[in-house]
Amino acid sequence: GAGVSQSPSNKVTEKGKDVELRCDPISGHTALYWYRQSLGQGLEFLIYFQGNSAPDKSGLPSDRFSAERTGGSVSTLTIQRTQQEDSAVYLCASSSRDRASEQYFGPGTRLTVT
Amino acid sequence: AQSVTQPDIHITVSEGASLELRCNYSYGATPYLFWYVQSPGQGLQLLLKYFSGDTLVQGIKGFEAEFKRSQSSFNLRKPSVHWSDAAEYFCAVGPPSGNTGKLIFGQGTTLQVKP
Repeated sequence: GAGVSQSPSNKVTEKGKDVELRCDPISGHTALYWYRQSLGQGLEFLIYFQGNSAPDKSGLPSDRFSAERTGGSVSTLTIQRTQQEDSAVYLCASSSRDRASEQYFGPGTRLTVT
Repeated sequence: AQSVTQPDIHITVSEGASLELRCNYSYGATPYLFWYVQSPGQGLQLLLKYFSGDTLVQGIKGFEAEFKRSQSSFNLRKPSVHWSDAAEYFCAVGPPSGNTGKLIFGQGTTLQVKP
C-alpha cells in the first residue's frame, strides 16, 4: 500500500490476556519503529528494526513486551499478561535506510485493557 | 540528556490569524528536526523536516519552520490559520546519522482555531 497500515485499529482486552498488534510498513522501507502514545507519558519509543540488524529494544518498558519482524517487512508487537497501564495508542512508523529519522506513521492501534 | 520542549501546551488563535508554535531541543549534535501534526483519532502526519542547508524550510499545508542553531529552536509558523488546522502538533528530533533513527518528541501543542 501507499502508507503504513496497522491492525486492528481498536483492541479491547481483559487484564491478563495477551495481545498482538500488527504493522505493515511502506514498501521498500527498511526501518520499522514502534512507539506508544499515552496521556501521561506522551510519545515514547519502544523498539526499532533496521534491515537484518539486531533490533534496538531499549524502549521496551518490561519483558512482557516483545516484537518481531518477519521477512524484513511486517512486524508484530506482542504484549503478554496485559495490565491497565498498557492502555495506549500504539503507533508504527517506517523509514528508508539512508534517512532513518524521516519516519512515516500509521494510524495506530488503540489498546484498552479493562 | 536529549529532550524536546514545547512550552505551550494549548494555543487558541482566530481563523486568519498568524501562528507560531515553539520548540526547543537539547541534543549532543545538530539533529534532524521534524514537525508532525495529529488530528483526533489519526496517526502522525509529517509536516516538514530540516536536515541541513537553508534554515527556513517549507512544508505541507502552508507551514514553515525556522531552525536557529544559537537558540536550539525550531519554531513552526503559518501566516494565516484555517479552521482545519485545529489539531495537535509535535516537534521531534532524531539523529543526523547512524543506525538508530528513533525520534524524541515534545509533549505536543494543541491548537484550537476560533471562527
